Amino acid sequence: EVQLVESGGGLVKPGGSLRLSCAASGFTFSSYTMNWVRQAPGKGLEWVSSISSGSSYIDYADSLKGRFTISRDNARDSLYLQMSSLRGEDTAVYYCARSLYNSRGIDFWGQGALVTVSS
Amino acid sequence: NFMLTQPHSVSESPGKTVTISCTGSSGSITSNYVHWYQQRPGSAPSTVIYEDNQRPSGVPDRFSGSIDNSSNSASLIISGLKTEDEADYYCQSYDSSNWVFGGGTKLTVL
Repeated sequence: EVQLVESGGGLVKPGGSLRLSCAASGFTFSSYTMNWVRQAPGKGLEWVSSISSGSSYIDYADSLKGRFTISRDNARDSLYLQMSSLRGEDTAVYYCARSLYNSRGIDFWGQGALVTVSS
Repeated sequence: NFMLTQPHSVSESPGKTVTISCTGSSGSITSNYVHWYQQRPGSAPSTVIYEDNQRPSGVPDRFSGSIDNSSNSASLIISGLKTEDEADYYCQSYDSSNWVFGGGTKLTVL
């Protein structure tokens, strides 16, 4: 059974940093592109970033470039999102999500980690 | 920037069929696959249709997807509506290195 479990969420002050982790199990993690998608309270889904299976291809939403960094450790079956210079508008639930094998869509989602940016 | 537009809300009665549209702002909706996600209140999203019209295992065949080139739109069709289908539905595609989500449609089954 595919499982994606996020951790590392919490309350952080504006301008602060936070690192989210996603532990994957039930599939060959190193074979799949992985993603982060976020959802602000009461709002829709917003793609954050994607990283290819071997980390050779990385992309970010235009609005987030320079502040967020995605990475992965295939030996640990883990995905990460380092977030810096956080703002109130970054408050959201952050979902770890596995890409479909051959297209830019998602087949499995984690349960999400809440990040709250507030003083 | 490419955008996907969905109706804010739709409602229908149990047992009926509902269609949720997702219209591309420019170019051709067929240039990249369209995927559909269901999000029940308080839960994470789940995938109900991928690659325009493919259904993941475990998703009932009451869910189907289609593409209409003439209107540059994709549709999610849910037949035999059940109260458990009440949820937010999001379409998603890809354009110029960006993943694009529609704004979401709230389906009410009443």
